Amino acid sequence: GNSVTQMEGPVTLSEEAFLTINCTYTATGYPSLFWYVQYPGEGLQLLLKATKADDKGSNKGFEATYRKETTSFHLEKGSVQVSDSAVYFCALSKTGGGNKLTFGTGTQLKVEL
Amino acid sequence: EAGVTQFPSHSVIEKGQTVTLRCDPISGHDNLYWYRRVMGKEIKFLLHFVKESKQDESGMPNNRFLAERTGGTYSTLKVQPAELEDSGVYFCASSQAGARAKNIQYFGAGTRLSVL
Repeated sequence: GNSVTQMEGPVTLSEEAFLTINCTYTATGYPSLFWYVQYPGEGLQLLLKATKADDKGSNKGFEATYRKETTSFHLEKGSVQVSDSAVYFCALSKTGGGNKLTFGTGTQLKVEL
Repeated sequence: EAGVTQFPSHSVIEKGQTVTLRCDPISGHDNLYWYRRVMGKEIKFLLHFVKESKQDESGMPNNRFLAERTGGTYSTLKVQPAELEDSGVYFCASSQAGARAKNIQYFGAGTRLSVL
């Protein structure tokens, strides 16, 4: 079946540091890939997505590239801010399967001054 | 436009009791999904409604869980009787109809269920 593996947290960084959160997936065919973010006390929000190989999703300074050859969708940001502190979830969905999402375990990010 | 609304935000019940969670999707969204995150683990799919019909309930853990979406608007998820392992955060999400639109799901803030 489908699965998503993302790096364990928590991750603690200083403000303006470079961020990478690794995500790899297992799925047949060509899933769509997503990063969702959950800020404290809020619901999950879609951060970015990519629907085919080599697509790059980007939003709010975050980027992730759909790598079919390595089945990866790593999240990156060049300079994190305290306001980026949140839990980040990598996920995939398959068209034709009702688009239900398969999530990773989530990675908590804490950014300090 | 209002987002996906869930309530209660937090429910504390004793083992054996019944709890009903409610989700109000974004108006006009035909697709409604329930997910659950057990402490520290991944968010897992429970079921998917298209309007009032259950499209996929393959993630429902057992028959103590009953989901309904009468009239194709809001949905309820009832747990009866609740067990300790049902504790977790229950998320609801909705999306528009159509192949491309279905790819984006909008989530509520979740209901944190604590079974003691």
